[in-house]
Amino acid sequence: ETGVTQTPRHLVMGMTNKKSLKCEQHLGHNAMYWYKQSAKKPLELMFVYSLEERVENNSVPSRFSPECPNSSHLFLHLHTLQPEDSALYLCASSQDSREWNIQYFGAGTRLSVL
Amino acid sequence: QKEVEQNSGPLSVPEGAIASLNCTYSDRGSQSFFWYRQYSGKSPELIMSIYSNGDKEDGRFTAQLNKASQYVSLLIRDSQPSDSATYLCAVKGIYGGSQGNLIFGKGTKLSVKP
Repeated sequence: ETGVTQTPRHLVMGMTNKKSLKCEQHLGHNAMYWYKQSAKKPLELMFVYSLEERVENNSVPSRFSPECPNSSHLFLHLHTLQPEDSALYLCASSQDSREWNIQYFGAGTRLSVL
Repeated sequence: QKEVEQNSGPLSVPEGAIASLNCTYSDRGSQSFFWYRQYSGKSPELIMSIYSNGDKEDGRFTAQLNKASQYVSLLIRDSQPSDSATYLCAVKGIYGGSQGNLIFGKGTKLSVKP
């Protein structure tokens, strides 16, 4: 248990559905991240929040919408996804976003888009 | 395009041997280097971090960094079957967002045979 909790662990959704992924960290960190992990591809950074402010958006399609209401919670709202969006979505947190800070990962949400 | 390259493997070593995992990176300005271990279906967990040239040892693990050659490696001594996993190399530079993003390699799959 790393102190980063993600729910749900598994999600199956149709292309017309709207769903949300939730991440909560209990480490007192100030930075939180969303990553996408697809088969045969490196972990891809999607969004970075530092002190609840979005500091990075890596050209992610608008069908993915992040929300960070406070430093402990991070959401990823999903709507009208495509089958190629099926992947493992990982949340991570770090003390802050400076280069030496270690990121701790949650267990991930395995998403399948039908 | 900043890249981190790893041999995807699988790398197969007998129990008790030394496993050597290698990683090269393209961003010469990179400052922080991390090795994560990821068991199948699980989230990445940090094994080692290294920030300066040379070797850093922690138990059976040794990380080696050569910034001039843009090369970082992980040695696992006395390999155990429980070390069988995918090892992700991650590099953080000074570009991207305000403090730099973590760029991951695709990972090397290690198999330790009893």
